[in-house]
Amino acid sequence: GENVEQHPSTLSVQEGDSAVIKCTYSDSASNYFPWYKQELGKGPQLIIDIRSNVGEKKDQRIAVTLNKTAKHFSLHITETQPEDSAVYFCAARGFQKLVFGTGTRLLVSP
Amino acid sequence: GAVVSQHPSRVICKSGTSVKIECRSLDFQATTMFWYRQFPKQSLMLMATSNEGSKATYEQGVEKDKFLINHASLTLSTLTVASAHPEDSSFYICSATSGGSTGELFFGEGSRLTVL
Repeated sequence: GENVEQHPSTLSVQEGDSAVIKCTYSDSASNYFPWYKQELGKGPQLIIDIRSNVGEKKDQRIAVTLNKTAKHFSLHITETQPEDSAVYFCAARGFQKLVFGTGTRLLVSP
Repeated sequence: GAVVSQHPSRVICKSGTSVKIECRSLDFQATTMFWYRQFPKQSLMLMATSNEGSKATYEQGVEKDKFLINHASLTLSTLTVASAHPEDSSFYICSATSGGSTGELFFGEGSRLTVL
């Protein structure tokens, strides 16, 4: 089955810096790669996603890149703000099932 | 975006009792719903996949007799934790999609179960 690895597990940045989180997946059949932000005690919220026919997608300060050959995808957050502090999860989906990465705790210091 | 509602958000129960958690899609018909469990500081682990009108498919290691899933309608799925024990204490999260294997997934806010 699918296995998704995520790095780093924790990431501390200063406000205004960029943050990059990387994930790798194992199943070449996976074709949908969402990123979620989870705040304490809440369910995950979709922040951006990318499908396998696209290499890059951007939405304001957030961007995701996908390298299907290498089976890795990354989340880029620019101009980070304290409210970006949360746990971020990548995920990969092939047929139906969504498998999550291990999560990255992002802390943005003012 | 679409809304998925979970109820209750928090529940505390005594060991040995059964607890039911509801997951509703409020503005779309959910052909498939997924149930996840998340322990503190860990990732979401898929427990089971349920398609409306059919039996749930459980992931390896998840006891189907303990975690009873019913998906009786296109807007409601329920997870019942039978004879709950302290080790079942966790954050349970559902997600729903209307698009089969390619549709976007929408997550509920989660239900925190504490078994005393």
